[in-house]
Amino acid sequence: GNSVTQMEGPVTLSEEAFLTINCTYTATGYPSLFWYVQYPGEGLQLLLKATKADDKGSNKGFEATYRKETTSFHLEKGSVQVSDSAVYFCALRLDSNYQLIWGAGTKLIIKP
Amino acid sequence: EAGVTQFPSHSVIEKGQTVTLRCDPISGHDNLYWYRRVMGKEIKFLLHFVKESKQDESGMPNNRFLAERTGGTYSTLKVQPAELEDSGVYFCASSQDGRGLNEQFFGPGTRLTVL
Repeated sequence: GNSVTQMEGPVTLSEEAFLTINCTYTATGYPSLFWYVQYPGEGLQLLLKATKADDKGSNKGFEATYRKETTSFHLEKGSVQVSDSAVYFCALRLDSNYQLIWGAGTKLIIKP
Repeated sequence: EAGVTQFPSHSVIEKGQTVTLRCDPISGHDNLYWYRRVMGKEIKFLLHFVKESKQDESGMPNNRFLAERTGGTYSTLKVQPAELEDSGVYFCASSQDGRGLNEQFFGPGTRLTVL
């Protein structure tokens, strides 16, 4: 079946550290891939997306590249800030459907 | 422009009671979705409305859950009777178009605790 696996958290880093949150997927067909973020007390927000292989999504200093050969969509940021502390969710959506299929979420804690 | 709103933000009920969650989508969005996240696990799709019609309710866990969208505007999700395993965060989202890359905009969620 279709599924998303992302690294367990919490991930704790110091400010200005390099961030990687791993995400791999299993899907039939050619999914679109997403990263959503949930800041404390807020709803889910779309962070970035990619629709086809080798596409790179980017926003707010975060990047993720759609890697079909490794079925991955890892989230990276070169220098994290305290304000990046949140829960990050990787998700996919198939062309034939509209529902989002989610990973379990990774809590990120950035210490000053 | 107002975003997706959900009410209440938090509900605590006892097992066997009834709870109704409400979602107001972004104005003009025909598509409305319900998802839930149980006990820190992955978020799961529950159902999808197009206007007032249920397009897909394959994710509804059982017949204790009833979703409605009267007049194609706001939606309610009723749990009756609630069980302990229903505890979690219920998210609502809306979008202009169900397919393509039209973004699903999410509300803040309702945290349901069943004791």
